[in-house]
Parts: sequence; structure tokens; C-alpha cells
Amino acid sequence: GENVEQHPSTLSVQEGDSAVIKCTYSDSASNYFPWYKQELGKGPQLIIDIRSNVGEKKDQRIAVTLNKTAKHFSLHITETQPEDSAVYFCAVQPVSGGYNKLIFGAGTRLAVHP
Amino acid sequence: SQTIHQWPATLVQPVGSPLSLECTVEGTSNPNLYWYRQAAGRGLQLLFYSVGIGQISSEVPQNLSASRPQDRQFILSSKKLLLSDSGFYLCAWSVPSGTTGNTIYFGEGSWLTVV
Repeated sequence: GENVEQHPSTLSVQEGDSAVIKCTYSDSASNYFPWYKQELGKGPQLIIDIRSNVGEKKDQRIAVTLNKTAKHFSLHITETQPEDSAVYFCAVQPVSGGYNKLIFGAGTRLAVHP
Repeated sequence: SQTIHQWPATLVQPVGSPLSLECTVEGTSNPNLYWYRQAAGRGLQLLFYSVGIGQISSEVPQNLSASRPQDRQFILSSKKLLLSDSGFYLCAWSVPSGTTGNTIYFGEGSWLTVV
């Protein structure tokens, strides 16, 4: 089945710096790659997603890039702010199961220091 | 708009006791429904998903079970809880799929502590 690896597991940056989180996946047929943000004690919230027909997508300070050949995608947060501190999860929607499920990475705990 | 409700929000249960977590979705028909578990400080593990009433797919063998008695209701159960069942349980939904790109939306979660 699909295997998703996420790095780094923890990331500490100064306010205003950029943060990059990378995920690799194993199933080349996977076509949908969302990113979620989870604040303490809450359910994950979708922040951005990308489909395989697109190489990059931006939404204000957040961007996602996809390299289907290398089977990896990354989350980029620019001009980080303390409220960006949270756990971030990447996910992949595999063909197995008829595109009915998401397989998640292990998460990255981002800390933004003022 | 669609909303998802999950309860109870927190519970403390003794080892060997039964479990029932409930989830309902409003504002959509025939959604896909999911139960995920998150151990403390860990990632999200898919436990069950359902594409319709009575249709349950199990992803991880364990002492948990899921049922979907109504279109927008999903229940997670156990007859006898283990200490290892402690964690944060998340219900989620998506539109009916069959094609790629269906976003999954999560509820607020239920904290389960087995003592």
C-alpha cells in the first residue's frame, strides 16, 4: 500500500523566517496531495492542496510544490508568524480503495519563536 | 454548509469496559465517513471508512469496530477496551468519490483515556 514519509518531525524557526516541510510517497498513481494544520486539542484543518496536473500552488504565505517524477511534495510557509505554530500533516490519496481515503505522514511540529 | 459533530469530546474508561463514539454529518448526502486515531504526539492512523450504509472497510485489525446505521451517522465501538486504545479519535467525512481529489474534513475529535 501507499507509504508516506514526512520530514522533519520538528522544526523551529524565528518569526519572519521561512519553513519548509517535505513528504515523499510510494504510489506513483496517487494524484491528490493535501496539507493539514492541527492546533492543540483540535481536529486537523485543510490549509492547501494540490493535484497532479499542477506543479505549484500558492495561497498568500503558503505554497505547495509537487514533483511527480521524484514522488515528493513540499509545504512552504513564508514570513512565519507565531500563530503558524502547530503540527502539520501531509497526506496522499492512493488509488487503492478507489480514492476513498487519505494516508497521512507522521506530522511536523512547527514552532515559530517571536 | 456541511458540519460534522462528534461526541463525547472526552471520556475516561476503565480497561475492559465498552466504548461507543458517535459522529453525525449535516448538510450533505451519502458522504464517505472515516474514523482516524491519533496516539499522543503521533500521526493519523486510518481505522475504518465507509462509502455507504452498512459498508465498512477496516484498515487495521484490532478490538474496535465501526457501524453506519444511517446515511450520515458513523459509530466507533469496542466491547472491551485495552490500555493501548487510548488516544485522540477523529471522525471525518468527504463527498462521495470514485475520482481523485476529494478533500476530507475532520471533526473536533474525542479524547479517550483508558485507565
